Amino acid sequence: KAGVTQTPRYLIKTRGQQVTLSCSPISGHRSVSWYQQTPGQGLQFLFEYFSETQRNKGNFPGRFSGRQFSNSRSEMNVSTLELGDSALYLCASSLGLAGRSYNEQFFGPGTRLTVL
Amino acid sequence: QQQVKQSPQSLIVQKGGISIINCAYENTAFDYFPWYQQFPGKGPALLIAIRPDVSEKKEGRFTISFNKSAKQFSLHIMDSQPGDSATYFCAVYTSGTYKYIFGTGTRLKVLA
Repeated sequence: KAGVTQTPRYLIKTRGQQVTLSCSPISGHRSVSWYQQTPGQGLQFLFEYFSETQRNKGNFPGRFSGRQFSNSRSEMNVSTLELGDSALYLCASSLGLAGRSYNEQFFGPGTRLTVL
Repeated sequence: QQQVKQSPQSLIVQKGGISIINCAYENTAFDYFPWYQQFPGKGPALLIAIRPDVSEKKEGRFTISFNKSAKQFSLHIMDSQPGDSATYFCAVYTSGTYKYIFGTGTRLKVLA
């Protein structure tokens, strides 16, 4: 079974631009979560989607948005990029089933975004 | 926002030694406590996890110890190997929110 894939793996953008990152979950997984990883802050939760609906979101400004498609693939968009947005953006997929005490989460390799 | 405090930030251990990483959390409503291992250039990978109704779980050289009353859990790596050199993250999960909260990570280096 193929793992979580993320594209592109590396991106360089300038301040003020916008960027779209893509994530394809493990086959059969309907939940996709996005995280921002920086050296000082660790993994910060951005949002989680399940069956095309956002179920939870973290404490990030509205410049960060996402969506999920009917095939469970997800995209994350960051508008008006700032220098502080430079980070590794990780996507994770899970079954995301309600009523379970846990839903094991599997991460992709991440997209390294550099904002100049 | 709910916090998970992880310590130490970095750790150096001799080959064959025991590595211990600790996490403390603030909320008693969490349902699942995983540990992730991340190598440079890779995404985090699930290493071992425990549920709050169990005090200890062992998988090979890796053990989670869980203290519900103290709101703490720890990862023990026995017979540490240079290949264990990586960054380790603890996390907590609440089933009602479908959300994981991660610790800030511990960079482990095992000396050969």
